[in-house]
Formats: sequence, C-alpha cells, structure tokens
Amino acid sequence: DAGITQSPRHKVTETGTPVTLRCHQTENHRYMYWYRQDPGHGLRLIHYSYGVKDTDKGEVSDGYSVSRSKTEDFLLTLESATSSQTSVYFCACGQGTNYGYTFGSGTRLTVV
Amino acid sequence: DQQVKQNSPSLSVQEGRISILNCDYTNSMFDYFLWYKKYPAEGPTFLISISSIKDKNEDGRFTVFLNKSAKHLSLHIVPSQPGDSAVYFCAASSNAGGTSYGKLTFGQGTILTVHP
Repeated sequence: DAGITQSPRHKVTETGTPVTLRCHQTENHRYMYWYRQDPGHGLRLIHYSYGVKDTDKGEVSDGYSVSRSKTEDFLLTLESATSSQTSVYFCACGQGTNYGYTFGSGTRLTVV
Repeated sequence: DQQVKQNSPSLSVQEGRISILNCDYTNSMFDYFLWYKKYPAEGPTFLISISSIKDKNEDGRFTVFLNKSAKHLSLHIVPSQPGDSAVYFCAASSNAGGTSYGKLTFGQGTILTVHP
C-alpha cells in the first residue's frame, strides 16, 4: 500500500533505445519529481511537474523528457539511452517544500 | 557548481555516542533545509527540517542546527543506534517569490555507520 510506486525496479537496456520509467502516486500530491542518484553527486533533479500537463526542466534534463497526463502518473522517457544515463532513478511527490517529499523505491537502470 | 555540499563521505561512531553530520551551502536564497535518510535499495525518507527563521529544531533523538551566517547546518543524533546506519542527505530549497514548486537541491550524502 505504498503511496508512491515506480516501475520497473530494474532494467537493462541497450545504447540508443528509448526507455520509459513509470511513477504512480496515490497521495493526490500536486508536485512530482524525477531525480537521479550517482556516486559523488547525491540526488540531482531531472524534471518536475507542478500539475497535470505542467512540467519543467531540472538541472540535468538533457536527454530526458517527461509527461504527466493524470495527477497520479509521471513518466520519464530517455529518448535514446546512453551509458551516461546508467543510474538509479527516484520519483518523488509532495505538497511543497515544507512538507518534505515521499520518494519511491527507485529504478536501477543499466545502459549497455 | 555544487550549491549544497556534504564534505564527509562517511562517518563511523559507536552505539550510544553522538553522531554529527555536517552540510554547507552557498546559495544565500535557500530558506528551508531538510535531512533525508536512505537505506540500501530503498528511497530516501524525510527525517527532519528547519526553516531559516530558526536556528534549531528537535525531534526525539534528532536535532538540526542552522548557522545562517556560516551557511552551515548540522544533524545531531543522540544517542546513535545501529539502526541509524544509512546514507544521510541534506537538502535545501528557496521559496523566494513562491515559485520554487518544492524543488530541492541535495548534497552528496554521508554514509553513517553505527557500531554496536
């Protein structure tokens, strides 16, 4: 009964292929985010959404796109996967900074 | 340009002692700070936060201190327990103009190991 779920949990894909990661929340939170975690960098924001169909870029958005057609769902697409996109991806949702985020359990993506 | 820095990649302490995790920031527009805890194969979980109008916030064994003039915050865990062993991330946000959309800037993380 997790409030936020990510799928898949693990994925191996080939360079040049498109990949879509899914995030689903049952918290009815307005804001959703995609982060990637890499050693030495912590968590870096890829894209975020402040409402249905309202999205914007984060600090490491190159090579990624997102879509949010419903409050509950936020999709992250790697248009043409590269080895530099091998990472652990976390989705989060929240009501605003002062309430903290709820994070999903992550998707480990390997691009070979 | 890392706006939030955790300069200690790891920290090791004995059970029952105090753990002090440090975080520095460079953006003077940051006005809200949070700590998250992360276990392996799980997402980060919110631990404690502090607004820039305060210099201390306490929640059980966890206390966060903010020194705005030094652009420094710290998380104190007293007493430390083996179950506290995890990666700790500090994060910061700027609500200036009301357009932050809740975005957070995270530090690199510190691995805390508490030995029994």
